[in-house]
Amino acid sequence: AQSVTQPDIHITVSEGASLELRCNYSYGATPYLFWYVQSPGQGLQLLLKYFSGDTLVQGIKGFEAEFKRSQSSFNLRKPSVHWSDAAEYFCAVGADTDKLIFGTGTRLQVFP
Amino acid sequence: SQTIHQWPATLVQPVGSPLSLECTVEGTSNPNLYWYRQAAGRGLQLLFYSVGIGQISSEVPQNLSASRPQDRQFILSSKKLLLSDSGFYLCAWSRLADSQYFGPGTRLLVL
Repeated sequence: AQSVTQPDIHITVSEGASLELRCNYSYGATPYLFWYVQSPGQGLQLLLKYFSGDTLVQGIKGFEAEFKRSQSSFNLRKPSVHWSDAAEYFCAVGADTDKLIFGTGTRLQVFP
Repeated sequence: SQTIHQWPATLVQPVGSPLSLECTVEGTSNPNLYWYRQAAGRGLQLLFYSVGIGQISSEVPQNLSASRPQDRQFILSSKKLLLSDSGFYLCAWSRLADSQYFGPGTRLLVL
């Protein structure tokens, strides 16, 4: 069965610092992979996706993620965090784009 | 461009009362539509998805049902709410084999 793990429940970084949010998945083949961001009380916004091809994908708001098949990971990165990046981040995986499994999320707090 | 609407934004209902949440999509035709529930401190759980009018797939057995009376309208219903139905309900749409895009959500509190 598919599963996705976000090991970090809560991460705190200083504004301007680099960021990496971890996502590990369990699936027999290469799944579809997504990162979403959710501000409090809001819906989810798609940051980026990986379907195939180049394993380093660029997204919106300066985020990128790298698919590493050998580690079953799809970690999200940003070189310099802004205060407005404070939110909850969800990784999602799926054998197809209809039935996604979401991680439990990582809450990012940014200190000035 | 495409937009997705959900209403109401917030709802407080007594246990045993009925429920109807509505989701509509603009700017696209024949979308796939999805209902998710997000409980506090947990990820999203897919409840229902639909690939066309009248076509509903249920992912988990529960107290809820879904209907798609029009191409771009997706409704989540219950005849009798339970306390455990409280949560944040999100509707999403997608085109075939593409990413899902989410609405603003409805916060439901059952008392």
